[in-house]
Amino acid sequence: ETGVTQSPTHLIKTRGQQVTLRCSSQSGHNTVSWYQQALGQGPQFIFQYYREEENGRGNFPPRFSGLQFPNYSSELNVNALELDDSALYLCASSSGHSTSYNEQFFGPGTRLTVL
Amino acid sequence: AQSVAQPEDQVNVAEGNPLTVKCTYSVSGNPYLFWYVQYPNRGLQFLLKYITGDNLVKGSYGFEAEFNKSQTSFHLKKPSALVSDSALYFCAVRDPDNYGQNFVFGPGTRLSVLP
Repeated sequence: ETGVTQSPTHLIKTRGQQVTLRCSSQSGHNTVSWYQQALGQGPQFIFQYYREEENGRGNFPPRFSGLQFPNYSSELNVNALELDDSALYLCASSSGHSTSYNEQFFGPGTRLTVL
Repeated sequence: AQSVAQPEDQVNVAEGNPLTVKCTYSVSGNPYLFWYVQYPNRGLQFLLKYITGDNLVKGSYGFEAEFNKSQTSFHLKKPSALVSDSALYFCAVRDPDNYGQNFVFGPGTRLSVLP
């Protein structure tokens, strides 16, 4: 059984650019959630995908968008990058939809730096 | 809306002593509660969860937590701390009646176990 993997590990972009982060969910999991963790803070929920449909979204603007593929892997896209987007982006997978009591399994994260 | 508070930014404890990391929550219905640990440059690792039933739940690495509904608390405990327990600890809540809302994490508590 493989765990949650994310790529790339680190990324440096400049303001205004676009970025795509990738996540492979743990085997058997059909739900992927994305979180933003700024330095010194707890993870903040961005959105969740369940069986390829977005079924929950946090307080993030539309320039944050995502996809989930038939194999349940996922992408997070951020357009028009801002300096405040610099953070650790975490992907988590689980089984079941957003009201499930199943715990989420997190990947190691992608460290995004916006200059 | 659900929320989580971790009133202590930092907890220091001597190796071998008992430790407690505090968490209080706010949710409209009956909560699902979770504890995660984060080591430097790593994703979050699941420790334990409370869904229903016995108020004392046991988890990984000798950790346990006690759910107290009247005090809306879910404090993490360990009878004897190890230096290797030093890390960042996050409490999280999920409201099963609030479809589309995901985990809400607290700001984190940094635990330092001193040899």
